[in-house]
Amino acid sequence: SQELEQSPQSLIVQEGKNLTINCTSSKTLYGLYWYKQKYGEGLIFLMMLQKGGEEKSHEKITAKLDEKKQQSSLHITASQPSHAGIYLCGADYNAGNNRKLIWGLGTSLAVNP
Amino acid sequence: DAGITQSPRHKVTETGTPVTLRCHQTENHRYMYWYRQDPGHGLRLIHYSYGVKDTDKGEVSDGYSVSRSKTEDFLLTLESATSSQTSVYFCAISGGNSGANVLTFGAGSRLTVL
Repeated sequence: SQELEQSPQSLIVQEGKNLTINCTSSKTLYGLYWYKQKYGEGLIFLMMLQKGGEEKSHEKITAKLDEKKQQSSLHITASQPSHAGIYLCGADYNAGNNRKLIWGLGTSLAVNP
Repeated sequence: DAGITQSPRHKVTETGTPVTLRCHQTENHRYMYWYRQDPGHGLRLIHYSYGVKDTDKGEVSDGYSVSRSKTEDFLLTLESATSSQTSVYFCAISGGNSGANVLTFGAGSRLTVL
């Protein structure tokens, strides 16, 4: 979607390394959702961010929302093979009333042992 | 894990045949969605439902219809399948305690139209 751009498209890192995935919106965000998809499976909810500057963590994954840049970053510390998969961001542009989230194309992450 | 199942998980069919995919939930969530996922396009919403018999179109609804006669079941029908409808279809639900827009996804149904 042109409204929501994820970068990089793909990433290969060595186990133990840190990495960052970005999700940038061309419009004002009301909320931003991060999901992880393992190959051939459904999406698993990671985190939801709704306020500028909000930061949330889940195990070794931290996500922040930069209201000024309309961008969210997802940071993984000390990556493990279990972190491999596709990370997708989804944007809510309508104060939570619209059920139609817009999705980024995803970032494919491989972690080499 | 949320109780959401999709069937069938894999289907191969021929152009012009009707196809119905079923999504079943045991969570009593109000909202149910059908998405398709394609390389280069990401996830796109086909239809969604906000209650029994209440549905609305998403961004790629042409060629698809849906029905929701019970809270737990949301059916996606391709009246006459085309090769462009080859895709992976995901059902999702929302409306539980985790937040209105937090979606829980099914495992997906891979459809191939020859």
